[in-house]
Amino acid sequence: EADIYQTPRYLVIGTGKKITLECSQTMGHDKMYWYQQDPGMELHLIHYSYGVNSTEKGDLSSESTVSRIRTEHFPLTLESARPSHTSQYLCASRLWDRGELFFGSGTQLSVL
Amino acid sequence: KNQVEQSPQSLIILEGKNCTLQCNYTVSPFSNLRWYKQDTGRGPVSLTIMTFSENTKSNGRYTATLDADTKQSSLHITASQLSDSASYICVVGGNEKLTFGTGTRLTIIP
Repeated sequence: EADIYQTPRYLVIGTGKKITLECSQTMGHDKMYWYQQDPGMELHLIHYSYGVNSTEKGDLSSESTVSRIRTEHFPLTLESARPSHTSQYLCASRLWDRGELFFGSGTQLSVL
Repeated sequence: KNQVEQSPQSLIILEGKNCTLQCNYTVSPFSNLRWYKQDTGRGPVSLTIMTFSENTKSNGRYTATLDADTKQSSLHITASQLSDSASYICVVGGNEKLTFGTGTRLTIIP
């Protein structure tokens, strides 16, 4: 059982709102990731972190931002949500590059 | 461009039957190949991880094979159960990056 948690599980908000998706893990992993997944499509990496105070943009351009102030916490923020941001957001972590990647349960975001 | 292609896109089988899912990849450099199970609306869960030197790896009723020469992998599910209904995603790892397939949607019917 993976010890990585995402909240909320579902979020429905109006256009223009600021939101933060939470992700926490208790496994002491330095490497953490945010993926975006649309129905029936592959996961796309939008942000990653190799440790505290480290954040990088992924392969898919995203208007979101992330922060890594503590090892266990990797929140994702959208300053002004739009309908195009409607998607599932998955947080993941691993101990090293070739190690097992553990995923949270995801946040399903709907922007009206 | 690194790519992972899975087939079939979807599959429906009767409970108790076996099935095999395919994964072809063009990823360089190659480090490892992973199979994940993803239930609808949930995060993926790891089934197997194989490195270049491994040909077969099992996890209960799931058996993954890897042919690094032809860049092909398969996931065989034995004696399927209703709980096996999910998407199965093939993921190929390079030195740091992971390339994801779009998955095979498997439906088990009673």
